[in-house]
Formats: sequence, C-alpha cells, structure tokens
Amino acid sequence: AQRVTQPEKLLSVFKGAPVELKCNYSYSGSPELFWYVQYSRQRLQLLLRHISRESIKGFTADLNKGETSFHLKKPFAQEEDSAMYYCAYNTNAGKSTFGDGTTLTVKP
Amino acid sequence: EAGVTQFPSHSVIEKGQTVTLRCDPISGHDNLYWYRRVMGKEIKFLLHFVKESKQDESGMPNNRFLAERTGGTYSTLKVQPAELEDSGVYFCASSPSLDRVYEQYFGPGTRLTVT
Repeated sequence: AQRVTQPEKLLSVFKGAPVELKCNYSYSGSPELFWYVQYSRQRLQLLLRHISRESIKGFTADLNKGETSFHLKKPFAQEEDSAMYYCAYNTNAGKSTFGDGTTLTVKP
Repeated sequence: EAGVTQFPSHSVIEKGQTVTLRCDPISGHDNLYWYRRVMGKEIKFLLHFVKESKQDESGMPNNRFLAERTGGTYSTLKVQPAELEDSGVYFCASSPSLDRVYEQYFGPGTRLTVT
C-alpha cells in the first residue's frame, strides 16, 4: 500500500543542535513530496517541497529515491522550530497522503 | 484575503447524533479537500471536490459520511449517525488548480468529539 512513514512520534533536541526528522515513503510512481508544519495554535502550512529544492527557515530536505526517503534537516535548531511536522506526498490526482507526524521540541 | 475557514471549531455530540461541518475555501479555489486526523494517527484524505463535483471520494470511511459542495463554493460534511470512532480533527483545504496542488491552504480544523 502507498504510505508515508515517520518513525519518530516525538523528537527532542537542544537549541543549536542539528535536527533530522525522518520520512520514508512507498509509492510506485514519481510522487511529489512535501513537508508541512503546524505550530501551536496555528493551522497546517506548507514548509517545503522537494521540487523547489529550496531552504525554508533553515530547513532542507533531499529526496533520495534509492532509499525512498525525504528526511527534513536543519543544522541548528531554534526554539521557534518546536511544532508538529508532517511528511506528505501528492499524486497526480491531487490528494495528499500524510505520515503520522513528528512532534519536535527544541529545548533552551 | 481571508484564508480557509471552518465552522464550528469544536463540536461535542453524543453517539447517534448528527453533526454537520462546514468549510469555506479561499475565493476562486476550485479544488476543495477534506481530511481527518484521528488521535495519534496520520492525517487521512477523505475526499476531493473540483467545483461542485466529487473528483475523488475514495477516503470516505462509510456511508454515514456525506459531503456536498452545492454551487461550488462552500462545502459541508455531515456525519449521521456519529460513532465514537468518528472523533478527531477534520481539516479542509483548498487549492487554485490541480497543477498547483502543493498550494493547498488548510483551514484551522474542526475538532469533533463523540461521546
């Protein structure tokens, strides 16, 4: 079955430490992969997508087709990065398939 | 510009009752999506409207769920009768076109609690 796996439900790091949120996907075609973020008391919003290959708020994610992974990384975590992060892919049909989400806590 | 809005923000009902959730997409967005997050689980796709037509309703869990988008503007999602397992957060999202599916703008969600 097509799905997205985020193995860590909770991740805690100290401010200034590197952070990596893992995401693996299983999809037979060529999906478009995304990371969404939901900060406390805010709505879900797009953080970045693999096609654009851009860095948003210091976060980057590289699509590794061999490992079917799309891990989200940031070299120096900030307290304001604390949030719920969802990895997702979109098919040509438009609907998104999400992982379970990872709650990131950045401690001072 | 107003974003996607959802009403109510929170609903508590008893098992067997009916609840109707509403979503107002961003003006001009033809694509409207409903998703659901059950406690501790992933956000799951429910269905997708293109204007007033159901493009994909493969995620609807059963026939107790009925979604409509009359006139291609706002959408409603009715649960009748509600069961305990229907509890969760229901998200609505809209996007301007299928070519720009990454531009899915999400609403704040409706938290449904069935007791």
